Amino acid sequence: EPEVTQTPSHQVTQMGQEVILRCVPISNHLYFYWYRQILGQKVEFLVSFYNNEISEKSEIFDDQFSVERPDGSNFTLKIRSTKLEDSAMYFCASSRDTNSPLHFGNGTRLTVT
Amino acid sequence: EDQVTQSPEALRLQEGESSSLNCSYTVSGLRGLFWYRQDPGKGPEFLFTLYSAGEEKEKERLKATLTKKESFLHITAPKPEDSATYLCAVRRSGGYQKVTFGTGTKLQVIP
Repeated sequence: EPEVTQTPSHQVTQMGQEVILRCVPISNHLYFYWYRQILGQKVEFLVSFYNNEISEKSEIFDDQFSVERPDGSNFTLKIRSTKLEDSAMYFCASSRDTNSPLHFGNGTRLTVT
Repeated sequence: EDQVTQSPEALRLQEGESSSLNCSYTVSGLRGLFWYRQDPGKGPEFLFTLYSAGEEKEKERLKATLTKKESFLHITAPKPEDSATYLCAVRRSGGYQKVTFGTGTKLQVIP
C-alpha cells in the first residue's frame, strides 16, 4: 500500500538555525499538507498546498515558514530561524482530492536546543 | 472557527469490555468527518470517513456513526492491540482542504 515517507525521523538543531523537513507524498495525490504536534497536544494544521501554491495556512504559519515542491515527488517545509517553541513532531500528509481523507507520514521529531 | 471536542480524554477497558468514544463538532457545513488511530511516536493512521448524518462504517471491532452534531466510535470486545489514541477530525464544505483535529481519546485495553 502506498505511503507518505518523511525524512529525517529526528532532527536536532540549535536556536536560530534553518531546517528543512522533507516528505514524499503518495504519488497520485494532488493535495499536500504540513501539521505539527507539540508533545501532549493536538495535531495542528500549518499549511495546505495545491497546484504549486499555498491554498490555506494557519496563523502559526508565519514568515519564518515556507513550503516548496522542488520536483515531481518531494514536498518540503523550511523553518528559517528556529525557536525553542518550534520543537514538535512535524507531520506531512497528502490527499487525492478535497473529499478524501489525509494520509500521514510518521513524522519528523524536531528538537531545538 | 471549526471545533472538535472529544471525550473522554482517557479510557481504560478490560479486554472484551465494549465502550464508545464521543466526538462533538461545530463546523460551518460538514464536508467529512474522519477517525484516525495514533500510536505513540507515529503519524495518525486513517480509519473511517463519514459524510452525512446517519452514515455508519465498520472495520473489525470498530464502528463509527455520525449525527448532525457528533460522532461515536464504538469498540466491541476490544483487545490489547486496540490500545492507542483515537483522533476525530472534520473538514468543512466550500472547497477547503484543512482538516481540524480534536485532542483525542487515549484508550488502554488491559488483558
